[in-house]
Amino acid sequence: NAGVTQTPKFRILKIGQSMTLQCAQDMNHNYMYWYRQDPGMGLKLIYYSVGAGITDKGEVPNGYNVSRSTTEDFPLRLELAAPSQTSVYFCASSLPGQGTEAFFGQGTRLTVV
Amino acid sequence: GENVEQHPSTLSVQEGDSAVIKCTYSDSASNYFPWYKQELGKGPQLIIDIRSNVGEKKDQRIAVTLNKTAKHFSLHITETQPEDSAVYFCAATKEKGGKLIFGQGTELSVKP
Repeated sequence: NAGVTQTPKFRILKIGQSMTLQCAQDMNHNYMYWYRQDPGMGLKLIYYSVGAGITDKGEVPNGYNVSRSTTEDFPLRLELAAPSQTSVYFCASSLPGQGTEAFFGQGTRLTVV
Repeated sequence: GENVEQHPSTLSVQEGDSAVIKCTYSDSASNYFPWYKQELGKGPQLIIDIRSNVGEKKDQRIAVTLNKTAKHFSLHITETQPEDSAVYFCAATKEKGGKLIFGQGTELSVKP
């Protein structure tokens, strides 16, 4: 199994550009998450989804959008990139219910210049 | 919503010593508390977890304790080794709801 796959691994964007960070999992997990990780700030939840067709805001959703048309895919969209969105982005997935492990992708390092 | 505070942000210990990382949470409805380890350039990986009906759980050199009344939980690593050096995150969530909220992370350095 591939687990959670994120693409791309690295990206440099200019201010105002848009892009989509891809995330796919092959474990048939219902729950999927997007986090951003800034130095010394831990992992902040951007958006999450408890199943296909259902998405909800996390702690820091502004400037981002998500969709969940299938169980496998959970893309994160940046519409107008800003320097404040420079970060490392992690996608994760898990089964529903108490005490289930979240599996993380390898991360996407995004720089906005 | 849930808020998780984690301390310390950095921790340096000598090989063989113990390391303790502490977290507090705000939502009394949270009932699952995992700990993740993140090595350089990788995504976090689960190392141990505890549920709210248990006060302590141990797995070899790693243990976690939970105090529901005080809403805090801790990670204990004994006989630390250089390969324990990493960033550790605590997290909290409810059984149903989906949100998994993390603390700020602790960078542990084990000096040989």
